[in-house]
Amino acid sequence: EAGVAQSPRYKIIEKRQSVAFWCNPISGHATLYWYQQILGQGPKLLIQFQNNGVVDDSQLPKDRFSAERLKGVDSTLKIQPAKLEDSAVYLCASSSLQGRANIQYFGAGTRLSVL
Amino acid sequence: KQEVTQIPAALSVPEGENLVLNCSFTDSAIYNLQWFRQDPGKGLTSLLLIQSSQREQTSGRLNASLDKSSGRSTLYIAASQPGDSATYLCAVRYVEYGNKLVFGAGTILRVKS
Repeated sequence: EAGVAQSPRYKIIEKRQSVAFWCNPISGHATLYWYQQILGQGPKLLIQFQNNGVVDDSQLPKDRFSAERLKGVDSTLKIQPAKLEDSAVYLCASSSLQGRANIQYFGAGTRLSVL
Repeated sequence: KQEVTQIPAALSVPEGENLVLNCSFTDSAIYNLQWFRQDPGKGLTSLLLIQSSQREQTSGRLNASLDKSSGRSTLYIAASQPGDSATYLCAVRYVEYGNKLVFGAGTILRVKS
């Protein structure tokens, strides 16, 4: 079974530029998550999708961050314009609706450096 | 606001030593607690998941315990090896937050050969 795929693996941009990250979840997983992990901290949930719909985006800075999940499969996360404090690893995870455990499977992440 | 705290922040031990990582959480109303491993530049790998009704889970040299009444979990690693060197993250699924995982900041483990 293929895991969660993310691209690019690394991205370096200057502040005020735009950037987009892509995620392909595990086939059949209805729920998709985007996390931000700042160096030295645990991951923080930015947004959760169930199929096409947003379940939780309470911690997404909506003035600069946006995310979409077209057709309930792939997802993109965009930052426009980027700030220095956006430097972090952006992790995508997916989970199945089946079972109580709701185990989330994580991709390798995209490391963003904003200069 | 529900939180997760991990102690210590970093740990360095000689190979072969048994060790314990600690995780504390702020509300006993949880669905489950999960321990992850993160290698540098990599994503998260799930090690153990303990449901709220369980007291412990074991996988190989790893044993995780859960005490909801005290808001604590421990990850016990037996006979540590250099390959165990990584960051270990604890994550809690609070009932209040639904499917959302709340992570601790992690413990950076270094096992010296």
